[in-house]
Amino acid sequence: DVKVTQSSRYLVKRTGEKVFLECVQDMDHENMFWYRQDPGLGLRLIYFSYDVKMKEKGDIPEGYSVSREKKERFSLILESASTNQTSMYLCASNPGGRMTYEQYFGPGTRLTVT
Amino acid sequence: EDQVTQSPEALRLQEGESSSLNCSYTVSGLRGLFWYRQDPGKGPEFLFTLYSAGEEKEKERLKATLTKKESFLHITAPKPEDSATYLCAERGTDSWGKLQFGAGTQVVVTP
Repeated sequence: DVKVTQSSRYLVKRTGEKVFLECVQDMDHENMFWYRQDPGLGLRLIYFSYDVKMKEKGDIPEGYSVSREKKERFSLILESASTNQTSMYLCASNPGGRMTYEQYFGPGTRLTVT
Repeated sequence: EDQVTQSPEALRLQEGESSSLNCSYTVSGLRGLFWYRQDPGKGPEFLFTLYSAGEEKEKERLKATLTKKESFLHITAPKPEDSATYLCAERGTDSWGKLQFGAGTQVVVTP
């Protein structure tokens, strides 16, 4: 079974803090994704990575950055957290190449910025 | 911009009362339609992928079907454990496998 883990289930941070969310997958997947999920808006793609050290902006990258130094690990960074970044953050991965395109999700991190 | 619209937003069913959820998409070159189940406070769990009109897939009480502009998730004789939010997503012509998600249908099945 594919396993995607996220470093925290719940996180509370103050406005202006630098926040790191980490995601690890154990299936040697090429592609990894970061989403945020808000009521009524569904999942929105923040950034994705198709290889180590490679990244592409998604639909809502403003205020976020990412890092992928190793294939299995993809980090989302909030340089200066703001209250409008309070959300559920979901990491996902898929094999990449010409294989299946299903994405497999981690359990999510519920971030509250006060 | 590709859009995925799910209806209804919420659905309340009695145990055993079958129903269908709708997912309509606008992308012209569909390269995959995906269904997920999401329990409260958890990440989405993959259910099905459909690739071409007429295709059907089944898992227990769930059956997903696909036409040229929409997909349906049929829930037959639901049980309370089928209560969840069901998400659909489409993959268009993007080469990296990005998915466009709908907002979901929240299903509550009461005993």
